[in-house]
Amino acid sequence: DAEITQSPRHKITETGRQVTLACHQTWNHNNMFWYRQDLGHGLRLIHYSYGVQDTNKGEVSDGYSVSRSNTEDLPLTLESAASSQTSVYFCASSESSGADTQYFGPGTRLTVL
Amino acid sequence: AQSVTQPDIHITVSEGASLELRCNYSYGATPYLFWYVQSPGQGLQLLLKYFSGDTLVQGIKGFEAEFKRSQSSFNLRKPSVHWSDAAEYFCAVGGKAAGNKLTFGGGTRVLVKP
Repeated sequence: DAEITQSPRHKITETGRQVTLACHQTWNHNNMFWYRQDLGHGLRLIHYSYGVQDTNKGEVSDGYSVSRSNTEDLPLTLESAASSQTSVYFCASSESSGADTQYFGPGTRLTVL
Repeated sequence: AQSVTQPDIHITVSEGASLELRCNYSYGATPYLFWYVQSPGQGLQLLLKYFSGDTLVQGIKGFEAEFKRSQSSFNLRKPSVHWSDAAEYFCAVGGKAAGNKLTFGGGTRVLVKP
């Protein structure tokens, strides 16, 4: 069955370190998204991609970057982790049209000390 | 800019009672509307979605939602709640004008009393 996976599921890091969160989908979807979930804020969009070599900034993109070298993967990099980036991160994917469902991964809980 | 408001942060309901979760949205074009559910420690699962046609939408797990354009609302309902419905529920809005990007509400946490 097609799926979307994230790794690691839990990560503890220190302020200033570079961290990369992996997202891999086997749906062959063109669209991929990264969100962060914080209490009281729901999910907020960090970055998104409509296809290979395409990346776009979302609502809360400062301090994050993504790259899309193939259809299946959209890694999220925190260039220099900050305590404010402690959060749960979700990756999602969807097909191209506007009404398509976004399918979510299980999430990565990141703690920045 | 699009936005979603879920006025109720927490709702407690007795098992077997009915449930209604409120969702109000702001979107400048024809909206696509979604309800997702998140169980503790899990990702989000789609309950139902509306993009056109019948304004009363049926979803999984016995949930339904009604799109009311005049009220900019998309409330979620279930006639009889089960203990397994305890979770957090998110309403989201998107559409072609938004390039398939979704904006989520802050969520409503549902607690089910035995």
